[in-house]
Amino acid sequence: NAGVTQTPKFRILKIGQSMTLQCTQDMNHNYMYWYRQDPGMGLKLIYYSVGAGITDKGEVPNGYNVSRSTTEDFPLRLELAAPSQTSVYFCATERSYNSPLHFGNGTRLTVT
Amino acid sequence: AQTVTQSQPEMSVQEAETVTLSCTYDTSESDYYLFWYKQPPSRQMILVIRQEAYKQQNATENRFSVNFQKAAKSFSLKISDSQLGDAAMYFCAYRSAGNNRKLIWGLGTSLAVNP
Repeated sequence: NAGVTQTPKFRILKIGQSMTLQCTQDMNHNYMYWYRQDPGMGLKLIYYSVGAGITDKGEVPNGYNVSRSTTEDFPLRLELAAPSQTSVYFCATERSYNSPLHFGNGTRLTVT
Repeated sequence: AQTVTQSQPEMSVQEAETVTLSCTYDTSESDYYLFWYKQPPSRQMILVIRQEAYKQQNATENRFSVNFQKAAKSFSLKISDSQLGDAAMYFCAYRSAGNNRKLIWGLGTSLAVNP
């Protein structure tokens, strides 16, 4: 059972470059989330989706975009990467409201 | 706005002993959920235990149990018979019972288990 798969595991970007963090799930969960985890901090919600075609902003959406064309995939797009976006990014899914979150293994992104 | 505070950045425990991790939160809501998540060195976040605020009984999952004090807004995690595999960052999190999908996270407690 793959669960939640994030790619890549690591990435180094130069300032101003763009990239897409991939998140795929095989659990048929409607709810999907993108979080970032900065050193010594808890998680901050970037964007979330309650189903295919529906996305909404979280706490820290600036500098990011998402799409949800299928139930399985929820990519996170960084345009014009900035050093402030250096972080570990987690994708998570949820079967129904307040059921446990299932997390991917994270993507460590460094912007220099 | 709700906040979650974990006052112990680091804790340590001897293998087979018991340790308690503290979490306090601030909210004006009466209905909500509280969670403890574990993040081992592998980085993946794993749910340890969950508590619904309307339930007076403290949640228990095997060696993990909570002491939920609603009036004091306290939600501590007790790990009994600690094992080496319990070494991890532990995060306390809060979520409203309404339609708000946001989890409010504490800063975490790093737990070391000494053999």
